[in-house]
Amino acid sequence: AAGVIQSPRHLIKEKRETATLKCYPIPRHDTVYWYQQGPGQDPQFLISFYEKMQSDKGSIPDRFSAQQFSDYHSELNMSSLELGDSALYFCASSLAGNPGNTIYFGEGSWLTVV
Amino acid sequence: AQSVAQPEDQVNVAEGNPLTVKCTYSVSGNPYLFWYVQYPNRGLQFLLKYITGDNLVKGSYGFEAEFNKSQTSFHLKKPSALVSDSALYFCAVYTFSGGYNKLIFGAGTRLAVHP
Repeated sequence: AAGVIQSPRHLIKEKRETATLKCYPIPRHDTVYWYQQGPGQDPQFLISFYEKMQSDKGSIPDRFSAQQFSDYHSELNMSSLELGDSALYFCASSLAGNPGNTIYFGEGSWLTVV
Repeated sequence: AQSVAQPEDQVNVAEGNPLTVKCTYSVSGNPYLFWYVQYPNRGLQFLLKYITGDNLVKGSYGFEAEFNKSQTSFHLKKPSALVSDSALYFCAVYTFSGGYNKLIFGAGTRLAVHP
């Protein structure tokens, strides 16, 4: 079965640079979520989209932005990168309409800021 | 606010023995509870969920979880642990805002299964 696809899997950026992460949800899923997992920490919710509109917002820094496109893929844009942004970034997707529907995660994108 | 707590940072089990990874929850309304597993340098894999119905939920890889409303717990169990079960396990709960849901995770429990 198709899963959530994230790219790139790994990237290294310098401080103050910009990074873009991409996410392709499971086909027919209409909701995308972004999570950030720091070293040794639990995943923290950043932002979510339903039908290309932002549906919820968590602890996403103002330097970060995201959007969901017409084909339902999503991109997380991170600017003015800081060392503390080094983390594993997860994208996840689900099908809205039933509150019990499962949220499925991708393999994650490792961002290292040097 | 919805939350889950995992009281143990690490659980050590000998291969072949039963394992339990603990999770307690605090929710208003009906709880939607999940377990995910994270292998080293990998993503989060869905194991099982409790939405409603039977208190014993069966999931992937032989795992099951018992929902206990009176104790507000949702412990993950497996009758016979394998070395390959060694991983980081997260309990999670849905929280709803404006009609949309998201997962809130516990701190995670590292399971180490020794040969």
